[in-house]
Amino acid sequence: SQQGEEDPQALSIQEGENATMNCSYKTSINNLQWYRQNSGRGLVHLILIRSNEREKHSGRLRVTLDTSKKSSSLLITASRAADTASYFCATGGGADGLTFGKGTHLIIQP
Amino acid sequence: NAGVTQTPKFQVLKTGQSMTLQCAQDMNHNSMYWYRQDPGMGLRLIYYSASEGTTDKGEVPNGYNVSRLNKREFSLRLESAAPSQTSVYFCASTERGGESGYTFGSGTRLTVV
Repeated sequence: SQQGEEDPQALSIQEGENATMNCSYKTSINNLQWYRQNSGRGLVHLILIRSNEREKHSGRLRVTLDTSKKSSSLLITASRAADTASYFCATGGGADGLTFGKGTHLIIQP
Repeated sequence: NAGVTQTPKFQVLKTGQSMTLQCAQDMNHNSMYWYRQDPGMGLRLIYYSASEGTTDKGEVPNGYNVSRLNKREFSLRLESAAPSQTSVYFCASTERGGESGYTFGSGTRLTVV
């Protein structure tokens, strides 16, 4: 069963625009992670935010976490064609594994 | 800097055939995982191994067996393949605690006909 659910399922924007994806989860967490998956490839870890953090930045990525609403958002600023991919949020991460959402498919139009 | 290596990349099996998917990591990670990814379903955990010598069932273990051969290697076996096992299989590893994120292999695309 999925712990996180991303929204929207698909997003198409113009190159240079910002892209925002949301994730909702059901139970309490220690941290939440975001991953990117390019077509036909494995997932790549982007960023982890702990439950006591509200915002975190990494390059053009900005992640927020609202534990009261059990939600997180991933913002990609100044999007590029290379950002076209599926993005997944994931919770858990102890020895018994991460639980992933179904992902947001992001398309950057040139 | 290989990370997680999976073999084979592609495989077609007939119903009832068996095969083993291989996974090896060179990052000295303790924990290793097998996931399957199906359209519209996200990734689902099949089996995991918290350390050498231990394995545990995940969300969808039926029809699969695993072996943690040593710290580096974690294999997934289909004893009698079924069409429902057509999927993309990913192996992943992480250090204990997993807070640095998981490292994934590039996947095995399996078709059972």
